[in-house]
Amino acid sequence: AQSVTQPDIHITVSEGASLELRCNYSYGATPYLFWYVQSPGQGLQLLLKYFSGDTLVQGIKGFEAEFKRSQSSFNLRKPSVHWSDAAEYFCAVGFDQTGANNLFFGTGTRLTVIP
Amino acid sequence: GAGVSQSPRYKVAKRGQDVALRCDPISGHVSLFWYQQALGQGPEFLTYFQNEAQLDKSGLPSDRFFAERPEGSVSTLKIQRTQQEDSAVYLCASSLAGLAWYEQYFGPGTRLTVT
Repeated sequence: AQSVTQPDIHITVSEGASLELRCNYSYGATPYLFWYVQSPGQGLQLLLKYFSGDTLVQGIKGFEAEFKRSQSSFNLRKPSVHWSDAAEYFCAVGFDQTGANNLFFGTGTRLTVIP
Repeated sequence: GAGVSQSPRYKVAKRGQDVALRCDPISGHVSLFWYQQALGQGPEFLTYFQNEAQLDKSGLPSDRFFAERPEGSVSTLKIQRTQQEDSAVYLCASSLAGLAWYEQYFGPGTRLTVT
């Protein structure tokens, strides 16, 4: 069965520090990969996506993610975190197969940014 | 342009009551999804519409859950005889067709509390 794992439930970083949020998926074929951010009381906002091609993708708000097929990973990175980045981050996976009409989400990583 | 809107934003229901949650997708989006997000979890798929056709309802947890999109635009998720375990945030998302199907735009959600 397909699954998405975000091993870090909560991460705290200092403002200005770099950030990496981990995401691993379990599936035989190459999936479509996404990172969403959810601020309190808000819906999910798409940060970036990977369908094919260059394995390093750039997103909004200065985020990037790298798809590593050998590790089944799609980690999210940001070189310098801002206080406004504090939120919940979800990795999601979609599969191009009949009957898979949805995205599978990880359980999320909550990011706290300290001054 | 306007994003996905949902109403009400908050709903408190007594156990056994019926509730109806509304979703207005982005204009022109043919695909519409409902997800359930329990506290501390990622969204989980409930059901999917393409225009007015409900193509997948495999995620609906019981026959108390019913969704419709009669004119291919606004959708309503109805929960009959609510139970405490139904307490969650219900998210609606919409997208275009083709590969853009996977780029789902989410509404702010309806937080349902069953007492």
